[in-house]
Amino acid sequence: ELKVEQNPLFLSMQEGKNYTIYCNYSTTSDRLYWYRQDPGKSLESLFVLLSNGAVKQEGRLMASLDTKARLSTLHITAAVHDLSATYFCADGGGADGLTFGKGTHLIIQP
Amino acid sequence: EAQVTQNPRYLITVTGKKLTVTCSQNMNHEYMSWYRQDPGLGLRQIYYSMNVEVTDKGDVPEGYKVSRKEKRNFPLILESPSPNQTSLYFCASSLGAEQYFGPGTRLTVT
Repeated sequence: ELKVEQNPLFLSMQEGKNYTIYCNYSTTSDRLYWYRQDPGKSLESLFVLLSNGAVKQEGRLMASLDTKARLSTLHITAAVHDLSATYFCADGGGADGLTFGKGTHLIIQP
Repeated sequence: EAQVTQNPRYLITVTGKKLTVTCSQNMNHEYMSWYRQDPGLGLRQIYYSMNVEVTDKGDVPEGYKVSRKEKRNFPLILESPSPNQTSLYFCASSLGAEQYFGPGTRLTVT
């Protein structure tokens, strides 16, 4: 069974702190996506990682991909309240579509 | 503006009453798919289509039908909805690696 496992599933942190969300996947597609979802909203694409060692950064978020370990990370630097959301990783993107993790519900408190 | 649209955005219906959720994209994408999102489960693919008249089952196809008569449209049909199909539904289209999600349709079946 194809699986994408995220951890943690729930994270409460203070502003200014750093933290990492982990995403382990079991397929061999080696194409990894990160999305953000605000309550009641659609998915916003954050990063698409297409090759081993890929690292992408946007503002306080940085994503990386290690295809040998089948692991992707989403690192948050100096968190701010506006980053509170649910974050999903997903792998695939080929003919079979995306397999999503269960999501990480992130709350950033002042 | 490049987008994926869904209608209706909200729907409350009763068990057994056939309904259709429409999905349309204006990007000339060949690949389209439907997902459902349930709390704690992430998104799961229902059906996908690689091109006109080509559709295939995703991970949770039971109780759903789709059709792809035109490239831009990919309606999701529930012939006899049941309460366990109460969910948030997303349509997506893609060309290459990037996936574009619609705004979502929140369906409640009573």
